[in-house]
Amino acid sequence: DQQVKQNSPSLSVQEGRISILNCDYTNSMFDYFLWYKKYPAEGPTFLISISSIKDKNEDGRFTVFLNKSAKHLSLHIVPSQPGDSAVYFCAAREAYSGAGSYQLTFGKGTKLSVIP
Amino acid sequence: SQTIHQWPATLVQPVGSPLSLECTVEGTSNPNLYWYRQAAGRGLQLLFYSVGIGQISSEVPQNLSASRPQDRQFILSSKKLLLSDSGFYLCAWTSGQIGNQPQHFGDGTRLSIL
Repeated sequence: DQQVKQNSPSLSVQEGRISILNCDYTNSMFDYFLWYKKYPAEGPTFLISISSIKDKNEDGRFTVFLNKSAKHLSLHIVPSQPGDSAVYFCAAREAYSGAGSYQLTFGKGTKLSVIP
Repeated sequence: SQTIHQWPATLVQPVGSPLSLECTVEGTSNPNLYWYRQAAGRGLQLLFYSVGIGQISSEVPQNLSASRPQDRQFILSSKKLLLSDSGFYLCAWTSGQIGNQPQHFGDGTRLSIL
């Protein structure tokens, strides 16, 4: 049962345009959402996060939108740059419930290719 | 600043051999520590997590085990590796404080079983 789904395995975008990466989730207990970027042979790097009490969080070229009613979040990258080419993982965490919490559930990732 | 180290970066092991992967964190105290595996074409699967020394929780039953002998050291082990243990193993940490804290990952170990 995949609780975090990234339905697009790959995405190609022209340099300078907007990249939109999508993520859907099924667990209504998730209250914290994150996006990670991963280059080959490296660990994922934290990009941006959003709490369930917000619907938008912005950090430079990166904006994450959360639609709780649709159980959907998206990452917008504007403008896209060739260095943004990587695999992007969406992750989610349940509300804190005591010791042992903070486990993240990851999607399978979307490979973004930004074409110069 | 906090840093996380994993080694080795790559490892080739025969089936049935033992395994020990090590992860250490610097610059923080009492972190929560995690071991993930990414199999080919799959997302990150949580294997183990630890909220303190000697405290290990397993998420997926398998022939792997984890130990936390020191506050900032997390070890992934196996007595006998299987072909299905091949994959990319990642260690991560997060602050032990309550709140919205991202996990930070090491650079991973690429494990190939022959």
